[in-house]
Amino acid sequence: DAGVIQSPRHEVTEMGQEVTLRCKPISGHNSLFWYRQTMMRGLELLIYFNNNVPIDDSGMPEDRFSAKMPNASFSTLKIQPSEPRDSAVYFCASSLRGGQPQHFGDGTRLSIL
Amino acid sequence: AQTVTQSQPEMSVQEAETVTLSCTYDTSESDYYLFWYKQPPSRQMILVIRQEAYKQQNATENRFSVNFQKAAKSFSLKISDSQLGDAAMYFCAYRGPNTGNQFYFGTGTSLTVIP
Repeated sequence: DAGVIQSPRHEVTEMGQEVTLRCKPISGHNSLFWYRQTMMRGLELLIYFNNNVPIDDSGMPEDRFSAKMPNASFSTLKIQPSEPRDSAVYFCASSLRGGQPQHFGDGTRLSIL
Repeated sequence: AQTVTQSQPEMSVQEAETVTLSCTYDTSESDYYLFWYKQPPSRQMILVIRQEAYKQQNATENRFSVNFQKAAKSFSLKISDSQLGDAAMYFCAYRGPNTGNQFYFGTGTSLTVIP
């Protein structure tokens, strides 16, 4: 079975550019999570969706960040405009309901120059 | 919000030896789920083991086992016969009982395996 698929795997762009990260969750999973990981701050939850509806976006750093989940099989995390401090690894994860574990994608390593 | 604490930022173990990684959590819920994830240098997040709070029996997965102490809110991971491939960052995580609950992660323990 296909796992969580994230794209791109690496992204290098200049400050001020728009960045869009993409995620395809595991089919049938009803929860989707976006995380950011840095050495300084560790693993941070940015936002999560249940049944395509955003439940908690309190972890989104600021208005430059936005996330959407237009359907059960696709989500995007957008940064506009990007800044060097946004450089990090961004993970998408999905899970079934209840006590089931999260399954993570391979992450996107984002570098803002 | 629930909190998950991993008090050991770094640990090391000799190859073939046993190591225990600590995790404590704070919750007022009686039913919940606990997980250990492994993140090797490849940066993949890999599920190691899962424990259901209403089960008294400690979960095991091959060389990995947990010591779940519900009253103490402790959930440690024991790795037996450590191998070089066990070197990774290990994260403890908590999830509440309700459908769609978010996960709470600890700050991680970096495990080094010495040949």
